[in-house]
Amino acid sequence: DGGITQSPKYLFRKEGQNVTLSCEQNLNHDAMYWYRQDPGQGLRLIYYSQIVNDFQKGDIAEGYSVSREKKESFPLTVTSAQKNPTAFYLCASSIGRGVYNEQFFGPGTRLTVL
Amino acid sequence: ILNVEQSPQSLHVQEGDSTNFTCSFPSSNFYALHWYRWETAKSPEALFVMTLNGDEKKKGRISATLNTKEGYSYLYIKGSQPEDSATYLCASNNAGNMLTFGGGTRLMVKP
Repeated sequence: DGGITQSPKYLFRKEGQNVTLSCEQNLNHDAMYWYRQDPGQGLRLIYYSQIVNDFQKGDIAEGYSVSREKKESFPLTVTSAQKNPTAFYLCASSIGRGVYNEQFFGPGTRLTVL
Repeated sequence: ILNVEQSPQSLHVQEGDSTNFTCSFPSSNFYALHWYRWETAKSPEALFVMTLNGDEKKKGRISATLNTKEGYSYLYIKGSQPEDSATYLCASNNAGNMLTFGGGTRLMVKP
């Protein structure tokens, strides 16, 4: 089955702790993305990567970090510097080029910081 | 940051009603407009990608139109069914590979 997996589905962490969210895809896509959703708001882009070993900040990158060591994997670390980390996080991937560049989404991780 | 707006934010309709909602987006440097359907507890799924002014796309009872000159797209659902209940997201691709998403329209169809 081709697709995008995110784990875990729910994550609880204490304030001040870093936490890493996993995102894996087997679609052979070059580009991967991380979005955040807050209640009543649209998806906001945190980071994206168009190719292995390269990534760019999105609109709300402060307090987050990523790596892209393998094509299939794009983990997101929510650091203690992120002021309001409780949110729903979605990972997506796409072929990375062309006008259509449809994005395929994972099931998401809901992070709650206590 | 580009501004993509969707209205209404939420909508309640009766089964069998037809409905429509709006996505407005910047018309400058426009590449494509994407519609996604996001059911609760599932991943967003692509409905349509439209690029040309005047484009109309249809999938079953759902259709969409595109006006790139004035920067809006309409999504129509004919004869709504309870299984159409979902959040409908639009996203604009302006001059690049990045998508800017609107806030979504949450549709609830009552049986």
